[in-house]
Amino acid sequence: DSGVTQTPKHLITATGQRVTLRCSPRSGDLSVYWYQQSLDQGLQFLIQYYNGEERAKGNILERFSAQQFPDLHSELNLSSLELGDSALYFCASSADASTISYEQYFGPGTRLTVT
Amino acid sequence: QQQVKQSPQSLIVQKGGIPIINCAYENTAFDYFPWYQQFPGKGPALLIAIRPDVSEKKEGRFTISFNKSAKQFSLHIMDSQPGDSATYFCAARGGYGGSQGNLIFGKGTKLSVKP
Repeated sequence: DSGVTQTPKHLITATGQRVTLRCSPRSGDLSVYWYQQSLDQGLQFLIQYYNGEERAKGNILERFSAQQFPDLHSELNLSSLELGDSALYFCASSADASTISYEQYFGPGTRLTVT
Repeated sequence: QQQVKQSPQSLIVQKGGIPIINCAYENTAFDYFPWYQQFPGKGPALLIAIRPDVSEKKEGRFTISFNKSAKQFSLHIMDSQPGDSATYFCAARGGYGGSQGNLIFGKGTKLSVKP
């Protein structure tokens, strides 16, 4: 158990809908990263937050957004869903976005199915 | 330059064998190279990691060999067991600019250890 929790575990929704995925980092970790895992694209970095502020953006679609709250949990919002958004979404956390600690620990993921 | 190339795509070994998984990168700004193990339906689990100033690191049955001049690194699993059957991902940390903390993943190697 990595200490990172994600809810829900599974999500089935229709095209055009909006969903919210939730992540709680390990106790004490300030950084949260979101990754998407699909069969064709592999594991792709979406976005990083550090202590409530956006730190880096990767291959995140404009239809997707995220935020990190004062208690450090994070939410990934996916809107106007398309069939191609079906994937596993992972959250990872690390202690610090600086050069001190590099280890990222992944949660169990949310499997999103868009029908 | 942002890619991490991983090979082979799949690997079958007998119990007790030493599977070797290879990764190559181009970006010399990468500053941290972890390996993750993923079982079906689970999140990636951090296995072992190395920084570019070290040529080898061992943790239990897992060894990373790192060749900075060739920009290559590999994972060796000593005395492999059926329980090691999983998908293994190499990764590299951005190390520069706005994407400093995120990981760039290889496509993964599906390892099967036969009893």
